[in-house]
Amino acid sequence: NAGVTQTPKFQVLKTGQSMTLQCAQDMNHEYMSWYRQDPGMGLRLIHYSVGAGITDQGEVPNGYNVSRSTTEDFPLRLLSAAPSQTSVYFCASSSALRSSYNSPLHFGNGTRLTVT
Amino acid sequence: GDSVTQMEGPVTLSEEAFLTINCTYTATGYPSLFWYVQYPGEGLQLLLKATKADDKGSNKGFEATYRKETTSFHLEKGSVQVSDSAVYFCALSDEGSNFGNEKLTFGTGTRLTIIP
Repeated sequence: NAGVTQTPKFQVLKTGQSMTLQCAQDMNHEYMSWYRQDPGMGLRLIHYSVGAGITDQGEVPNGYNVSRSTTEDFPLRLLSAAPSQTSVYFCASSSALRSSYNSPLHFGNGTRLTVT
Repeated sequence: GDSVTQMEGPVTLSEEAFLTINCTYTATGYPSLFWYVQYPGEGLQLLLKATKADDKGSNKGFEATYRKETTSFHLEKGSVQVSDSAVYFCALSDEGSNFGNEKLTFGTGTRLTIIP
């Protein structure tokens, strides 16, 4: 069972570079989301999607773009990386909008990004 | 807005000790409350959940009771094991706003280390 797969696991960027963090799930989940995890700040929602072709902003969307062309994939794009974007990024998916035991969030193992 | 406050770590205990990790919340609606656990090198996993006042969530020997009068959802375990070493996140979802997973608010996390 693959679940939620994130690539790469580690990435180092220079300020101003662009890159895409990949996220794929094989559970046919409609809901997908991106979080960043920073020390002392917990997880903060960047963007989310409730289905193919639909995306919306979370708590900290600036500097990030997303698209959802298929149910399976939800890539996160950094157009011009900044040191403030150094963080651990998690992708998560769920079968339903409303959280319940039957539809908890399934998280990937994360991407550790360093911007110098 | 909604917020979650959990005890700062790190917490270090001996095997078979009693564990309490405190969590309090503020919310405008009628939140569901969660504990997620993050093992080293992995994403978060749902540990337990409670959806209304006085509900008790339990899983893997862990318990937490939804206390509306004290706005708390403290995590407890009677006898911890080395394998419980992880980071624990308290979270809430304000179900009253008709949103669920995309409105999860996380605490900052508490790192727990169990020594043999």
